[in-house]
Amino acid sequence: AQSVAQPEDQVNVAEGNPLTVKCTYSVSGNPYLFWYVQYPNRGLQFLLKYITGDNLVKGSYGFEAEFNKSQTSFHLKKPSALVSDSALYFCAVYSSASKIIFGSGTRLSIRP
Amino acid sequence: DAGVIQSPRHEVTEMGQEVTLRCKPISGHDYLFWYRQTMMRGLELLIYFNNNVPIDDSGMPEDRFSAKMPNASFSTLKIQPSEPRDSAVYFCASSPDNLLAGGPPTGELFFGEGSRLTVL
Repeated sequence: AQSVAQPEDQVNVAEGNPLTVKCTYSVSGNPYLFWYVQYPNRGLQFLLKYITGDNLVKGSYGFEAEFNKSQTSFHLKKPSALVSDSALYFCAVYSSASKIIFGSGTRLSIRP
Repeated sequence: DAGVIQSPRHEVTEMGQEVTLRCKPISGHDYLFWYRQTMMRGLELLIYFNNNVPIDDSGMPEDRFSAKMPNASFSTLKIQPSEPRDSAVYFCASSPDNLLAGGPPTGELFFGEGSRLTVL
């Protein structure tokens, strides 16, 4: 079965520093991977996806993610964090027949 | 488009009462999903529809939960009778993916703002 794991419940970063939110996956076949963000009291918003091609995927709000097949990872990154990036981040994987399975989420906190 | 619209945004009810949550997907989207979010269990897929037909309801916790999609623009999730452990935020999401077109999925789910349910 397809699954993703987010090993960190919380990540704390100072504003202006680079940030990384980790995600590892387990899939059979081609991995289709996604990142979503959830701000307080809101629904999830799509950030970016990896389907095929370049291992470095660029998305919304300056975020990017690096697909690493050998390490089965899909870490979310941003070169310079903003306080407004503070939110809950979900890694997700496409499962069979249009199901998307979400990880447990990582709370990102950016301190001024 | 106004996006995915859910109602009510907040519902407080007493144990044993019937709860109905409503969702209007984005026009033209073929897929509709119901998710439940709790601190303990995270984001769980309950059921999803393709062209108004339920495809997979294996995530529905028990028979107290039911979902319908009578037409392309409306879906309901019903809990009868409700219990305190049903307290959660319930999200509806829609997607334009069409597997009949072939190729990889867009993977883009469009979520509503959620319905926060509290069962006392």
